Amino acid sequence: DTGVSQDPRHKITKRGQNVTFRCDPISEHNRLYWYRQTLGQGPEFLTYFQNEAQLEKSRLLSDRFSAERPKGSFSTLEIQRTEQGDSAMYLCASSFPSGGANEQFFGPGTRLTVL
Amino acid sequence: AQSVAQPEDQVNVAEGNPLTVKCTYSVSGNPYLFWYVQYPNRGLQFLLKYITGDNLVKGSYGFEAEFNKSQTSFHLKKPSALVSDSALYFCAVREGSSSGGYNKLIFGAGTRLAVHP
Repeated sequence: DTGVSQDPRHKITKRGQNVTFRCDPISEHNRLYWYRQTLGQGPEFLTYFQNEAQLEKSRLLSDRFSAERPKGSFSTLEIQRTEQGDSAMYLCASSFPSGGANEQFFGPGTRLTVL
Repeated sequence: AQSVAQPEDQVNVAEGNPLTVKCTYSVSGNPYLFWYVQYPNRGLQFLLKYITGDNLVKGSYGFEAEFNKSQTSFHLKKPSALVSDSALYFCAVREGSSSGGYNKLIFGAGTRLAVHP
């Protein structure tokens, strides 16, 4: 399967714990995006990488959130000191470079439940 | 600010009938418009996009969408619905920019399509 993959698919954690999610984009895509989706809502943009550079961050990305893409391939999203409000589906997407016309390809998501 | 509205939480259609899922948008520049579909426990799948050119765009699984600049709409359509089309549909917009500086998608809240046998 050459699509976008995410790991883990599900994560249950206790409030206050740290969690880390991984995203592997489609290999020839240099752009990588993270979104968050809560029940009954559409995905909301969190952050965007072009190669290893993090070029845009949403105000939703508080200082407890950090994302990296160290070698311009896979990316990690870490949430420190999780809160119940962090419970959501975290989606990763990737795309070819363009002026914005290329569609983004999404992974299956990581569902986070904070108890 | 960019925004997308999907005015219907749910659309119910009988199998074989035409379907329409509505979307309106607001951007300051030229819009890039997308439709995605989400099946349970799966990520979003791309259906079609409008970038420029012909206002009627065709996509996957027999879906099409019509861009209407004056009404700022991008409604999703299919001539004959299938039960297997039942899913959650999202409209999204990205502001087109020659500088390439605008990359995030702004999604609507989604419309659940239920196709009944």
